[in-house]
Amino acid sequence: GGIITQTPKFLIGQEGQKLTLKCQQNFNHDTMYWYRQDSGKGLRLIYYSITENDLQKGDLSEGYDASREKKSSFSLTVTSAQKNEMAVFLCASSIQGSAETLYFGSGTRLTVL
Amino acid sequence: GDSVTQTEGLVTLTKGLPVMLNCTYQTTYSPFLFWYVQHLNEAPKLLLKSSTDNKRTEHQGFYATLHKSSSSFHLQKSSVQLSDSALYFCALGNYNQGKLIFGQGTKLSIKP
Repeated sequence: GGIITQTPKFLIGQEGQKLTLKCQQNFNHDTMYWYRQDSGKGLRLIYYSITENDLQKGDLSEGYDASREKKSSFSLTVTSAQKNEMAVFLCASSIQGSAETLYFGSGTRLTVL
Repeated sequence: GDSVTQTEGLVTLTKGLPVMLNCTYQTTYSPFLFWYVQHLNEAPKLLLKSSTDNKRTEHQGFYATLHKSSSSFHLQKSSVQLSDSALYFCALGNYNQGKLIFGQGTKLSIKP
């Protein structure tokens, strides 16, 4: 079996700060995703990547950048943290595309002071 | 565009009763439907999935049948337990797109 590791587990930032979240998977999966989840609510897609060096915008990409420099890693940058950006960011991967099962990491909880 | 609708935001039930969580979808592609479950402070994980029309799929006491004629994939269980309290997400995928579409989620709360 494989695992998805997200770092850090908790991230505290200041309003206006640039913050980076990291995700590593050892499934050897092609597709990786970043979702945002606000307290007890639904999953909103920020970015996804179908292969190394590919980036596709999701519904919530404004205010975020992403990078997929290696097949195993996918990072997300909050370009300027806002007071209302307190959420859990979930990374996920699948073998290939949306017809396959997604495996999720345990999340990064972001708090902006 | 593709979409998934879950009509119930919150379902509260007493232990031992049956449950059905609704999921309908819209797509022009051949659909793959998923149910993911997320327990409190945990990551979502797959509960069950299907791409076969009119075939019941089961896992951990939950079951669902994909009905392409009505574009539905409702999740059911005959007798809920306290441990079933969680968020349940219906999701839609296909072989043509990398993007999985999630519904808004249904919170299932089971009382003793």
